[in-house]
Amino acid sequence: KNEVEQSPQNLTAQEGEFITINCSYSVGISALHWLQQHPGGGIVSLFMLSSGKKKHGRLIATINIQEKHSSLHITASHPRDSAVYICAVSPYNTDKLIFGTGTRLQVFP
Amino acid sequence: DAMVIQNPRYQVTQFGKPVTLSCSQTLNHNVMYWYQQKSSQAPKLLFHYYDKDFNNEADTPDNFQSRRPNTSFCFLDIRSPGLGDAAMYLCATSRASGGTIYNEQFFGPGTRLTVL
Repeated sequence: KNEVEQSPQNLTAQEGEFITINCSYSVGISALHWLQQHPGGGIVSLFMLSSGKKKHGRLIATINIQEKHSSLHITASHPRDSAVYICAVSPYNTDKLIFGTGTRLQVFP
Repeated sequence: DAMVIQNPRYQVTQFGKPVTLSCSQTLNHNVMYWYQQKSSQAPKLLFHYYDKDFNNEADTPDNFQSRRPNTSFCFLDIRSPGLGDAAMYLCATSRASGGTIYNEQFFGPGTRLTVL
């Protein structure tokens, strides 16, 4: 079993829909990261969370440390949001990341 | 703008012909990472530098080497590329200091390596 699990693996949506991607992890962490990767492209860091909730534009990330769970929400989705969204965690006392397998999102006009 | 730059963006090499990928950063971060990412897979950490200290992952093949001549630059050398080494290679940086050793990682755009 992976230490970081994401769901769903694939997600399709119509433009304007509200989207939720979930991440569960099984290790103690210092922080959780949400990353975005467009097809054939590099990785962009969206959020780093250690508690609570963060918002940036149409993106919202939440984390529940007790339940070892995080969600990434996209409001009013747009075709340019189509990408792979990766959840990654920083375990205690390490500067490495453990990556989830990603969620492939496609938003259609 | 402060950033992580990788060159080249696309590299084609022949089986067994050594290749070097480069990464530079203007963020003045003290930690630099090299990841290998194969199609539809999560990035896999090959090694990282914490300042000048080199940290190799246990399962990184000997075929992969790295150099960090100064804070800004880091190189990935693949001594004898095989077909299985075709992948996207990602460089990332972070700042670690004192008691804070978890930090946001900033990724470069990647170098896509093709092995013929």
